[in-house]
Amino acid sequence: GAGVSQSPRYKVTKRGQDVALRCDPISGHVSLYWYRQALGQGPEFLTYFNYEAQQDKSGLPNDRFSAERPEGSISTLTIQRTEQRDSAMYRCASSPAAGGLNQPQHFGDGTRLSIL
Amino acid sequence: AQKITQTQPGMFVQEKEAVTLDCTYDTSDPSYGLFWYKQPSSGEMIFLIYQGSYDQQNATEGRYSLNFQKARKSANLVISASQLGDSAMYFCAMSLRDDKIIFGKGTRLHILP
Repeated sequence: GAGVSQSPRYKVTKRGQDVALRCDPISGHVSLYWYRQALGQGPEFLTYFNYEAQQDKSGLPNDRFSAERPEGSISTLTIQRTEQRDSAMYRCASSPAAGGLNQPQHFGDGTRLSIL
Repeated sequence: AQKITQTQPGMFVQEKEAVTLDCTYDTSDPSYGLFWYKQPSSGEMIFLIYQGSYDQQNATEGRYSLNFQKARKSANLVISASQLGDSAMYFCAMSLRDDKIIFGKGTRLHILP
């Protein structure tokens, strides 16, 4: 597709359930980032990939959060045993080349996650 | 510590006036990039402008310019001749050599008719 695609757009689930959020980056983009954005705040870095390799996962809040990008394209962010504090907008972004220093990121529209 | 600070939570500006959105940053790394993004009420994130730490001239993109003052560690966004469609949340962000990107908390800009 032309832009970064995220699915689902909205996800409502009960506390304790596992959720999987999907990101389909712009075709050919090397780098893929995951962010969490609380209402009225800036995006908070979670993790990122160059190709299929996870380069940095220091932003993942705890071990309930994991991400993968097995073939260097589509990525999945998984949250296990969800808690109410996990409710947020989860955004994915991609950029054409490795090395974010001078690469503007192209953001998806996000997945709004609500934990009941 | 690496940090982006946007001190203006909200701003109101009359249409057609110029507006400056403040951003200061903190890093000890000599190589970094600075970005501004616009987030309208629809929620999308739109890239506006980029400045590299070694760039000698201030970046400009149409009505947007970045007032880069390296010694003061500031990277203010200037929007000339503001329009109603400029009403949005604006985020300043910094990229570092470890490829991590740090965002500020944002400034909500309201353009008044």
